[in-house]
Amino acid sequence: AQKVTQAQTEISVVEKEDVTLDCVYETRDTTYYLFWYKQPPSGELVFLIRRNSFDEQNEISGRYSWNFQKSTSSFNFTITASQVVDSAVYFCALRRSSYKLIFGSGTRLLVRP
Amino acid sequence: EAGVAQSPRYKIIEKRQSVAFWCNPISGHATLYWYQQILGQGPKLLIQFQNNGVVDDSQLPKDRFSAERLKGVDSTLKIQPAKLEDSAVYLCASSLLANTGELFFGEGSRLTVL
Repeated sequence: AQKVTQAQTEISVVEKEDVTLDCVYETRDTTYYLFWYKQPPSGELVFLIRRNSFDEQNEISGRYSWNFQKSTSSFNFTITASQVVDSAVYFCALRRSSYKLIFGSGTRLLVRP
Repeated sequence: EAGVAQSPRYKIIEKRQSVAFWCNPISGHATLYWYQQILGQGPKLLIQFQNNGVVDDSQLPKDRFSAERLKGVDSTLKIQPAKLEDSAVYLCASSLLANTGELFFGEGSRLTVL
C-alpha cells in the first residue's frame, strides 16, 4: 500500500525563522517519485519539486531545501528565513510510475510578521 | 502559457440537485486529472484521462459522478444527484507526461451542497 504522512497539521513561526515540514512515505516499489506542492489561499496547487527514488541528493533552491532519506522514508522540506508570503498549506505527494499521485493531508504554515 | 482553466469557481446547490464543472487543460497536455479536496484534507484522485481514454477511475463514485473528455482536450465532471458529503473543492490538473511529469493545477471549483 502507498501512504504519505504529514504529522504536522499546523506550524506557526515568526518571520525570518527557519522551518522544516516533515513528510514520511510508505511504498513497496523501488521506483517512485516524490513531490512537494504549495497551496496558497487562492487554492491553486503550485508545484515545488519532484524527486525520483534513485536520486537521494539534497536540493536547494533559494530559501527552499529538501532532504530525501530512503533509509527513513522521509522527504522533508525546509524554508530558511521564512517570509509572510510563505504562508500556505504544503502537501507532500507520492507517485509510482504511471499511477496516481497520492497526497498527504498537508501542513498549514503560518508566518507571522 | 495559459494555465489550467476551471469554471465555475463557486457553486451552491441543494442536495439531490445536479452540477457540472468544466476544465480546460494546458495546451498539449495529454493527461488530465480530476481531484476532490475536502476541507482539511489532501486532494484525492477521482479520475485520470490519457487523451480521451480513462486510465484510472477507481475512486470515482460512479453511481452519482461522471466525467468525460471529448476530443482529448477539455473535460466535464458531473455530479447527479449531489449529497451533502460532496461539498468540496474539485481540482482539475494536467500533465505533459503521464508517468513522471509534474501536475499543473487549476484554481478549483468550490461546491457547497446544502
